[in-house]
Parts: sequence; C-alpha cells; structure tokens
Amino acid sequence: SQELEQSPQSLIVQEGKNLTINCTSSKTLYGLYWYKQKYGEGLIFLMMLQKGGEEKSHEKITAKLDEKKQQSSLHITASQPSHAGIYLCGAPNTNAGKSTFGDGTTLTVKP
Amino acid sequence: SAVISQKPSRDICQRGTSLTIQCQVDSQVTMMFWYRQQPGQSLTLIATANQGSEATYESGFVIDKFPISRPNLTFSTLTVSNMSPEDSSIYLCSVERSTGNEQFFGPGTRLTVL
Repeated sequence: SQELEQSPQSLIVQEGKNLTINCTSSKTLYGLYWYKQKYGEGLIFLMMLQKGGEEKSHEKITAKLDEKKQQSSLHITASQPSHAGIYLCGAPNTNAGKSTFGDGTTLTVKP
Repeated sequence: SAVISQKPSRDICQRGTSLTIQCQVDSQVTMMFWYRQQPGQSLTLIATANQGSEATYESGFVIDKFPISRPNLTFSTLTVSNMSPEDSSIYLCSVERSTGNEQFFGPGTRLTVL
C-alpha cells in the first residue's frame, strides 16, 4: 500500500520567514492534495496537484508536484501567525475515498 | 468546492452511550465518506456511505459499532455506538463529486468519551 512521509514533523519559524514542507510517497504519485488543519478541527482544502511539474498557489502558499521524485513540496512565503496549524498531504486513490494521508507537519509561527 | 457542515461540533459522552453525528452538504455529491482521526494521528477511513444501501466498511470497522445512514445525496449520519474512551477522536465527513476530483472535508466532530 502507498505511504506518505512528511518532513519535518514539526516546524517553528519566526514571522516573516519562508519555509518548506515536503511530502514523499512510497509509490508513484498520480496526484496530491494539501490540507491545513487547526488543532481539533476539520481539514481545509488548500489545493490539488494532478500533473507532474504542476505548481499551484493559494495566497502565499505554493505547492509543486515532482512525479519523478514521487514528492511534493509546499512553500510558504513570508509566514504569518495565521499560517500556523497542521499541514497534511494526501494522495488520491483510484478507489474513491481511499486516499492515503501523511502524518502531518505542525507549523508554529512566532510573532 | 463543497460546503460541508457537521453536527455536533463537539461532545463529551459517557461510556456505554451512543452519539449520532450528522453531515450535510450544500449540493449533491456522488461519494460521501466517514473518517476518524485519533489524537496525534492521521486520518483513517471508516466507511463509504452509499445512498440508498448499506455502507461499505473498511477493515476493522463494523456496522454494529458504526451504523451509517445516507438517505439522499446531500446528507449522512454516523453513529458511534456503545462508546468507550478509545472512541475519543475527531470524526470527519468527506465528499468527492466523482473519483479523481477534489476531496473535501467537513469541520469535524470532536468526541470525548469519559
């Protein structure tokens, strides 16, 4: 079965700094979701990448899919306290709903 | 996108009781799912809620413990039966308009069982 490994597990940055979170798959990626989750709450859909080399942006958050490396990276520019939360990557499956999810990266942004 | 609401948003329940969680979507969707997220862990799919028929459960989950209803294309319920402290989790409703499209999640129901 497919596994997704996120790195780092947690990250503390100063407000205004840039940061990158990686999501590496054990198998070929045919697409990838990125979500943000506030502690104890639901998942907010950020973006879905569907093709190798595809890059999408959502406000100051940019994500890219590297099919060859079986990896996606999520980059936040000029981080703000509002960016704090848990970032989860998910890989869609050909069987609907059976997506695989990473364990999440907890981001803390210090004012 | 899809707007998904869940009720209740959180609850504290006594051991041995049952809780029914509701999920309402703002438009008709093909696929609806129920996930569980235990403290500090990632998401685990409980079952696929099928409209007009019995839900399809994943390994480790059974209908007697987690009965699911889906009377139409915009609404589903998940019941957590005979609860124990191990059932303390966030329960999330999720939808996909069709296979391969974006998967959206509801705000979650945070359940604590004492």
